[in-house]
Amino acid sequence: SQQGEEDPQALSIQEGENATMNCSYKTSINNLQWYRQNSGRGLVHLILIRSNEREKHSGRLRVTLDTSKKSSSLLITASRAADTASYFCAKTSGSARQLTFGSGTQLTVLP
Amino acid sequence: EAGVAQSPRYKIIEKRQSVAFWCNPISGHATLYWYQQILGQGPKLLIQFQNNGVVDDSQLPKDRFSAERLKGVDSTLKIQPAKLEDSAVYLCASSPLGSSGANVLTFGAGSRLTVL
Repeated sequence: SQQGEEDPQALSIQEGENATMNCSYKTSINNLQWYRQNSGRGLVHLILIRSNEREKHSGRLRVTLDTSKKSSSLLITASRAADTASYFCAKTSGSARQLTFGSGTQLTVLP
Repeated sequence: EAGVAQSPRYKIIEKRQSVAFWCNPISGHATLYWYQQILGQGPKLLIQFQNNGVVDDSQLPKDRFSAERLKGVDSTLKIQPAKLEDSAVYLCASSPLGSSGANVLTFGAGSRLTVL
């Protein structure tokens, strides 16, 4: 089963604007990751945040984690048309460190 | 380094036929995963291997799906007989995860299955 959901399911913005996607989960995690999937392609890892971290940056990406609310957010600043893709959060949990994906947010950046 | 290789990229079969997908992970990656991604949904884990042993296959429909990882390297996923609801992209991924550490996955491009 998929643990947690992304919100919103779809997001459409203009180039240069910021995009924020949220992810909620239900059980405790080891870490949380964000992946991007371009249409017809496999997933590409973007960023990982550990359960004892609250914020992480990588280029134009900023991820926050609130373990008390069991939620995470991904912020993409100064978006570009090339950022158009589906974004998935993935939770690692369990002794075998299974990676469970959410349902994704479809981001469209209009030029 | 070379990425995760998958084949075939596309496969169209009729229901009740069989199909097999092949995956070659990144060299040295101990853990290999097969995910099923139905259109519009996130990937769902089917099976996870650690070297050539199965770590998690709780969501694998074992009456029709089987998977093996030969000598802890390549892996095949087989569906027999296929049903209409098996139409999906089958993603293979690998990670260097050992007994500890973060499991960052590298995905292949996927194998798109259409069952008619």
